[in-house]
Amino acid sequence: EDKVVQSPLSLVVHEGDTVTLNCSYEVTNFRSLLWYKQEKKAPTFLFMLTSSGIEKKSGRLSSILDKKELFSILNITATQTGDSAVYLCAVVGGTSYGKLTFGQGTILTVHP
Amino acid sequence: DAGVTQSPTHLIKTRGQQVTLRCSPKSGHDTVSWYQQALGQGPQFIFQYYEEEERQRGNFPDRFSGHQFPNYSSELNVNALLLGDSALYLCASSLAGTKNIQYFGAGTRLSVL
Repeated sequence: EDKVVQSPLSLVVHEGDTVTLNCSYEVTNFRSLLWYKQEKKAPTFLFMLTSSGIEKKSGRLSSILDKKELFSILNITATQTGDSAVYLCAVVGGTSYGKLTFGQGTILTVHP
Repeated sequence: DAGVTQSPTHLIKTRGQQVTLRCSPKSGHDTVSWYQQALGQGPQFIFQYYEEEERQRGNFPDRFSGHQFPNYSSELNVNALLLGDSALYLCASSLAGTKNIQYFGAGTRLSVL
């Protein structure tokens, strides 16, 4: 059974800080790893990482995938209060049609 | 371009009742997946519909059933509701044969009393 573990479970920082969120996984026939941001209800897509794309960057957010050690990190630099949210990591295994297996999420709180 | 829409937003039911939740996928998408998110947890996969058939199912009892219509919209039905069914139910849509990135709706908050 696929498994995703995120750490830390919660994090409190001040504006301007840099944060690193961790995601480790166990999956049969890895296909992809995705990061989502969930502010109130709808998770919004951030990044997809695959064997052919192990590093992604968008503005202050970046993510890398280590397929050998089976983990990914999400970095956020110069954090803002608008970054406060739950960050979810999910994996897709090769035997599925895109079923997402999620971790518990990391609650990020950014204080002014 | 409308994203994924779900209805209703909130729902209150009592134990033993039945409920139907609805989802319209993002324009151009043909695959719909349903997830259950308990408070403080990540979403858990219920099932996925493609071409009006259930293509894959997670570890949920038969009380959970679904349907996909020719216009790709979908319904989630839950029978004999239990207190433990209280959760946020999320619908996600994607386009088969592509990168399969799933885009989520805002969900339906179900409370079972």
